[in-house]
Amino acid sequence: DAKTTQPTSMDCAEGRAANLPCNHSTISGNEYVYWYRQIHSQGPQYIIHGLKNNETNEMASLIITEDRKSSTLILPHATLRDTAVYYCIVNDMRFGAGTRLTVKP
Amino acid sequence: NAGVMQNPRHLVRRRGQEARLRCSPMKGHSHVYWYRQLPEEGLKFMVYLQKENIIDESGMPKERFSAEFPKEGPSILRIQQVVRGDSAAYFCASSPVVGDVYSNQPQHFGDGTRLSIL
Repeated sequence: DAKTTQPTSMDCAEGRAANLPCNHSTISGNEYVYWYRQIHSQGPQYIIHGLKNNETNEMASLIITEDRKSSTLILPHATLRDTAVYYCIVNDMRFGAGTRLTVKP
Repeated sequence: NAGVMQNPRHLVRRRGQEARLRCSPMKGHSHVYWYRQLPEEGLKFMVYLQKENIIDESGMPKERFSAEFPKEGPSILRIQQVVRGDSAAYFCASSPVVGDVYSNQPQHFGDGTRLSIL
């Protein structure tokens, strides 16, 4: 079973920030948090990962709480092409059902 | 750099036949993972391999399924005597080895093989 839990679905208005939460309360001290997304039935696409510090790249930002029991993926300016299923996982690489993000015009 | 290559992209088999799915990892990657995805569901971990070594096969069905990653050549996921329930998308991912077995480097996925059983 996955060590992460995420909301089933979320909506976001185009151009607004999308904030996707993830709970990983049983994460071990040396386990990283990874985020992927899957558009339609394509292969999952890597987005970002982190251990305890906040991370940012050209796609997104990752905010990890100080106790590391949860994190938030932020897409700063969501576009229609960001509509996808977003997965949060840790090092065990067990995927849950993810969050289906729908970006609306 | 070429990404993770999976072939074939689509595979059709009749019940009872064998299915062989191939995965060539990214250059420099020595770890391979296989996942299965049923329609409208998430990815289910199947097996994690290094070259010539199975690290974790806890997600693999005990019968009819096997996986290998030889010293030379692609990783192979083999399904013997296929049944209708094996119809799914099978994804392969690879990662480099850095330090411990469970590296902090992210996986990179291929585009999958869609297996259809008639």
